[in-house]
Amino acid sequence: DTEVTQTPKHLVMGMTNKKSLKCEQHMGHRAMYWYKQKAKKPPELMFVYSYEKLSINESVPSRFSPECPNSSLLNLHLHALQPEDSALYLCASSQPHDTPTNEKLFFGSGTQLSVL
Amino acid sequence: ELKVEQNPLFLSMQEGKNYTIYCNYSTTSDRLYWYRQDPGKSLESLFVLLSNGAVKQEGRLMASLDTKARLSTLHITAAVHDLSATYFCAVRSSSPNFGNEKLTFGTGTRLTIIP
Repeated sequence: DTEVTQTPKHLVMGMTNKKSLKCEQHMGHRAMYWYKQKAKKPPELMFVYSYEKLSINESVPSRFSPECPNSSLLNLHLHALQPEDSALYLCASSQPHDTPTNEKLFFGSGTQLSVL
Repeated sequence: ELKVEQNPLFLSMQEGKNYTIYCNYSTTSDRLYWYRQDPGKSLESLFVLLSNGAVKQEGRLMASLDTKARLSTLHITAAVHDLSATYFCAVRSSSPNFGNEKLTFGTGTRLTIIP
């Protein structure tokens, strides 16, 4: 299984809503990532979890709250978002850089989020 | 701060022609990736280049890396319509924190192959 599975594929939410994005992988990867991609722009790193601990937060607003319940799961909790937060949210996973087989970042298919 | 630039940003080419996409980056790195993205879709890994002089080929695509010049190229040979997509290079920060992988993506090249 070389897949990173994200749900939901599409999400429309109001600015007062609370929602969560989910990501799952069963490749035994111990590093998981959230990226944000606006239309026609490159992906931008938001958060990195290594061995289930938050290791990078790229100064992301607190209305985005990541969670890594175990080594296979990664969530992104959303609260009081703004319309400018509308984007494609991509989850990715990899082996940690200290392992010999760390070569690739595997991306999920993404959640297309629209904030009204 | 690592900066990654690609050119051209847009490329329209006829089927059967050859062309090259360039990726320049600003600081030392030990790893460079090329990804493909179709509209509304996720990123598909094409190549990982690990050392100076590395060259990898898959079908009509060939990628190379010159770490001294901080330059990677993606060469397209005899383009076909199926190669129409956006191509991103991504560079790993040279001293990542233990246990993670921080990539900075290039601006992307939107490639359109015209029959």
